[in-house]
Amino acid sequence: AQTVTQSQPEMSVQEAETVTLSCTYDTSESDYYLFWYKQPPSRQMILVIRQEAYKQQNATENRFSVNFQKAAKSFSLKISDSQLGDAAMYFCAWPNSGGYQKVTFGIGTKLQVIP
Amino acid sequence: DADVTQTPRNRITKTGKRIMLECSQTKGHDRMYWYRQDPGLGLRLIYYSFDVKDINKGEISDGYSVSRQAQAKFSLSLESAIPNQTALYFCATSDLERGELFFGSGTQLSVL
Repeated sequence: AQTVTQSQPEMSVQEAETVTLSCTYDTSESDYYLFWYKQPPSRQMILVIRQEAYKQQNATENRFSVNFQKAAKSFSLKISDSQLGDAAMYFCAWPNSGGYQKVTFGIGTKLQVIP
Repeated sequence: DADVTQTPRNRITKTGKRIMLECSQTKGHDRMYWYRQDPGLGLRLIYYSFDVKDINKGEISDGYSVSRQAQAKFSLSLESAIPNQTALYFCATSDLERGELFFGSGTQLSVL
């Protein structure tokens, strides 16, 4: 089975500090995408960042960056200069490739930002 | 206007009732999905459709059915609702080239 694992159900970070959320996945595919989605209390699902597996360079979007270790099947999200608005559930997600995009989600990490 | 619209936003119903959740999109995507979110379980795929004539079961399709009325419309039905179907339901569309999902705002369903 191809799965996505988030081992940290809850995390907290001080405002302005840096936090890293972990995600591991299991696949036999060689070409795929990986995503992090954010779900604030409004419950809207928002794409935070996208990584293409064939790219060695880690993706970055403003204060959000990933540490992608393809051999280890690890895809962690780093949030720098944490802000109160970063408080949310964060989901790691991975779509099957091969033309059929059934996206599999981890169980999520709830991030608390402490003022 | 939202690109992916779900109705209703919230719904309370009783055990045994038939419920339909509706989803429409203006993104022009062929691929549409229904997910269910439960605390501690993440999002799980109920059904997905890659075009009007192609509908597939996801990992938790029992107790649910879907209809793809048009490229832009994909509805989810609970024929006889039961309490363990209480959850947050999301409709989503997919961009084939980039692979990302675009979500509606969700429907919180409570079955009493």
